[in-house]
Amino acid sequence: NAGVTQTPKFRILKIGQSMTLQCTQDMNHNYMYWYRQDPGMGLKLIYYSVGAGITDKGEVPNGYNVSRSTTEDFPLRLELAAPSQTSVYFCASSYTGGNGEQYFGPGTRLTVT
Amino acid sequence: QQQVKQSPQSLIVQKGGISIINCAYENTAFDYFPWYQQFPGKGPALLIAIRPDVSEKKEGRFTISFNKSAKQFSLHIMDSQPGDSATYFCAASRNSGYALNFGKGTSLLVTP
Repeated sequence: NAGVTQTPKFRILKIGQSMTLQCTQDMNHNYMYWYRQDPGMGLKLIYYSVGAGITDKGEVPNGYNVSRSTTEDFPLRLELAAPSQTSVYFCASSYTGGNGEQYFGPGTRLTVT
Repeated sequence: QQQVKQSPQSLIVQKGGISIINCAYENTAFDYFPWYQQFPGKGPALLIAIRPDVSEKKEGRFTISFNKSAKQFSLHIMDSQPGDSATYFCAASRNSGYALNFGKGTSLLVTP
């Protein structure tokens, strides 16, 4: 199993550009999550999904959108990128909800200039 | 509002010493308390977790101590090794919820 894979690994965006961060898991997990990690701030939940077709906002959803058309994929869309979105983004998945082990991808380092 | 407070922010320990990281929470509905370990350039990975029905859980050199009345829990790393150098995150969640609430992390450096 590859686990959770994320692409791209690195990306530099100009202010106002858009992009999609890809996330795929092959563990047949229903739950998937997007976090952002800023230095010294821990991980903050952006969006999560409890199954195909079902998504909900986390703690910091502004400026982002998600979709979940299949169990495997959970892309994160950034519209009109801003410098405040410079961060490392992690996708994660779990078999169960809040009390289940979350498996993280390797992350995408995004810089907006 | 940070739901889980973690300290210290950074920690330097000599090889063979004990590393101790502390976390505190306010929400009494939390019933799952994991610790995640993150190496540079990697995603976090679950290290050890505890539920509030026990006061301590040990896995190898890693131990979680849990104090329900004080709403605190801590990670102890015995016989710390240079390979333990990483960032450690505590977290908390509700069984009926979906999200993990993470602390801000502790950067641990174990010197040879």
